[in-house]
Order: sequence, then C-alpha cells, then structure tokens
Amino acid sequence: DSGVTQTPKHLITATGQRVTLRCSPRSGDLSVYWYQQSLDQGLQFLIQYYNGEERAKGNILERFSAQQFPDLHSELNLSSLELGDSALYFCASSVSLLTDTQYFGPGTRLTVL
Amino acid sequence: DAKTTQPPSMDCAEGRAANLPCNHSTISGNEYVYWYRQIHSQGPQYIIHGLKNNETNEMASLIITEDRKSSTLILPHATLRDTAVYYCIVRVGGGGADGLTFGKGTHLIIQP
Repeated sequence: DSGVTQTPKHLITATGQRVTLRCSPRSGDLSVYWYQQSLDQGLQFLIQYYNGEERAKGNILERFSAQQFPDLHSELNLSSLELGDSALYFCASSVSLLTDTQYFGPGTRLTVL
Repeated sequence: DAKTTQPPSMDCAEGRAANLPCNHSTISGNEYVYWYRQIHSQGPQYIIHGLKNNETNEMASLIITEDRKSSTLILPHATLRDTAVYYCIVRVGGGGADGLTFGKGTHLIIQP
C-alpha cells in the first residue's frame, strides 16, 4: 500500500460524457502527478501539480484538465470522452520538487463505450 | 532525460537472483538511474535509485558501472511475486518538477 488513494476503481461511461477521477496523495506529499496507461501508448505522464499550482504538463489533451485543492487532493476531469480514452489512470505523489521518488496509487480503470 | 535500453523480457527461476540490465550510454553527470516496477495493472512501485555508487535497500541492489553507461538491478532471491515489468529511468536529480518517462521496460517472469 503506497498511501495514495484513487477513486473510483472502475468507471464505465459512454462517448461524449464527462467524468472526474479523484486522488488523495500520501500524507505530507505536496506534489501530485497524473498518468495514463493505454495498451498502445504505455504509461504516459499527463500533468503535475505542486501545492495547488500546475507545475508541468505532459501529453495531456485539451479535453482533459486537472486541479489540486487546498487539502492537496487532486481531480482529473475528462470531457467529451472518446473510445480511445479508455485506459488506466494513475495518480502519484511525491514529497517535494526535489525528489523523483513517486508513489503511485492503484489506478482508475476507465472504459468508454 | 537520457534514453534507456532494456531487454523486452527475461526469465528467472524462483529463489535465484534476477539480474536486470539497463543501458544508458548517453547519461549525463547529473542524471540519476531510477528503477520502478509494475505488477500486472497495479500502480508502478519505486524500487531504488542511484547516481554512481552501488545502492542496496530491502528490495534490491543497484550496480552502476564506473563509466555510468549501464546498470544492473539485482533482486537477490526472486519470488513469484516479483513477476512484473521493470522500468529503468534516467533523469536529472532533483527533477521532481516533471513526470517520469516510462519506456517499455523488461517483463521479468519468475518461474516456479
């Protein structure tokens, strides 16, 4: 158990819909990262927040957005969903910007029908 | 971040040491070697990291060659639960302000 929690574990929805994935980092960790893992693209970094502010962007689509709240939990919003958005979405956290040791949550499996 | 090369798959007998190689011939002086693993569809798990000295923790040992162009992750007594995809990642130290770049990794299969 990494200490990072993600909800829900599974999500099934239809094309065109919008969903929100939630992540609670380890206690004391200020940095949150979001990753997408699909069969054809592997594990890809989407976006990072640190203490409530966006710090880095990876291969995140414009239809996707994220935020980190004052209590440090984070949400990833996915809108206008397409079949290709079906994937595992992982959240990770780290204690600061000075470390590359990231602790990953169990993931949310999104299925778009 | 430096590019890494890993074999796509390896087998190891249960109870034996599993040695996973990683080539990173373009590594820079300020880049660390990190190892993570992912057990089937679970979240990736941090294993170990190092700069130039060999490192050991409760999970594994990391051996980095003197020229730092390659490294080996050693799981001393592999168990069936060590079957996973192992990722070698090279990145600048203190580069926490960015995501990790995962390659395809090595699928390690521990045989009973």
